[in-house]
Order: sequence, then C-alpha cells, then structure tokens
Amino acid sequence: QVQLQESGPGLVKPSQTLSLTCTVSGGSISRGGYFWSWIRQHPGKGLEWIGYIYYSGTTYYNPTLKSLVTLSVDMSKNQFSLKLTSVTVADTAVYYCAVTTAGDAFDIWGQGTMVTVSS
Amino acid sequence: EIVLTQSPGTLSLSPGEEATLSCRTSQGVDSSYLAWYQQKPGQAPRLLIYGASIRATGIPDRFSGSRSGTDFTLSISRLEPEDFAVYYCQHYDRSSYTFGQGTKLEIK
Repeated sequence: QVQLQESGPGLVKPSQTLSLTCTVSGGSISRGGYFWSWIRQHPGKGLEWIGYIYYSGTTYYNPTLKSLVTLSVDMSKNQFSLKLTSVTVADTAVYYCAVTTAGDAFDIWGQGTMVTVSS
Repeated sequence: EIVLTQSPGTLSLSPGEEATLSCRTSQGVDSSYLAWYQQKPGQAPRLLIYGASIRATGIPDRFSGSRSGTDFTLSISRLEPEDFAVYYCQHYDRSSYTFGQGTKLEIK
C-alpha cells in the first residue's frame, strides 16, 4: 500500500520560497494512472488544492496559485516536490501531499506538515 | 469554475441518529467526479465516497452518497462516536479540483 510522507522546513520568512518534498513508499511514483498532488489547509479553514504532477512531468496548477507554484518529480528518489515562491503570512498552513489512484478522488494522504510564514 | 456549497455549516446530533449532509454544485456536474472526505482534528482527510456513491475501501456501509440534480448528499446512519468530525465534498473538473467549505458534525 502506498504511503506518503511530507518533509521540509516548518518556518519560512516572508518573500522567500517554501519548499516541501513528499516521499512515496510502498509503490513507485512512476506507476501509471497515479496523479500526485499538494493540498493545503489554512489554520481552522477548509482544503485548497495547489496542483498535481504526473510522473512524466505533466503538471496542472490551481489557477489562483499558478504563477507562484512549481511541482517537480524525482523518480530516482521516489519523491515529488512543491516550491511556492514569494510567500506571505497568508501561506501559513498545513501542507498535505496526496494521490489519486482510481477515479479522481484523493484516496491516499500524507500526515501533513505545518508551515509557518513569519519573520 | 464550479463552486461547491455545503450545508449546514454545523450539524448537532446524538449517537445513533442519522446525519444528512448536503453539497450543492453551482452547475451540473458528472457524478463520477464527486467525492466526500472525513477529517478529524489533527489528522489528514480520509476518503469516504467517490463517484458520488461508491464507498472507498474499508468504509462502513452506514456511510452512503447520493445525488439529485446539483445536490449531492452524504448520509450517515446510526451515528457512532467516531463519526463526529468535519466532512468535505470535492469535485474534479478539467484537471482542477475544488473542495466545499466543510460541514462540522458535532455531538449534541
């Protein structure tokens, strides 16, 4: 069974770049039909999809974040990553990685990692 | 962009009762792309229902999903103490995903 684990700094300064990695275990990131996403949740709020990447490198982003987000995949490490540039305090959130394996629902999630943007 | 509106914002019920949660889409959508999640404090969301009515692996049959036009419903029969949580609906369309704002199911 595929498992996901987020990692990265818990504190980022305003205007800097937030970088997170999701490590995939129990399966290959290059498995066909699996789409690897990042989702965030502001404190006490709902869920916001950030974007997804396919192992081929194809990406789709939330239009509201598109200009600030880059997703990438490293098949050699079985990881995919998120970069969010020019962060502000409004980017403080729990960041989850997740995957759709059948249909278009997120059936596997990482535990989430809290990122605080503060000087 | 399709907007998902969940109601009520908070639902107060007792164990053993039945819960009915609503998710209304701003326009007609394909049922295949509507899902429901449960989230407990400090945990990641868990997929309950996909394709509007298909239970995910390991989900008890007291959880069910249905549709009437642009209204999607998550029903939970015979509420158990562990069912009290926040529930989100989610839709996929044209390579983009959107979530409803959530319904909090709390113990009365």
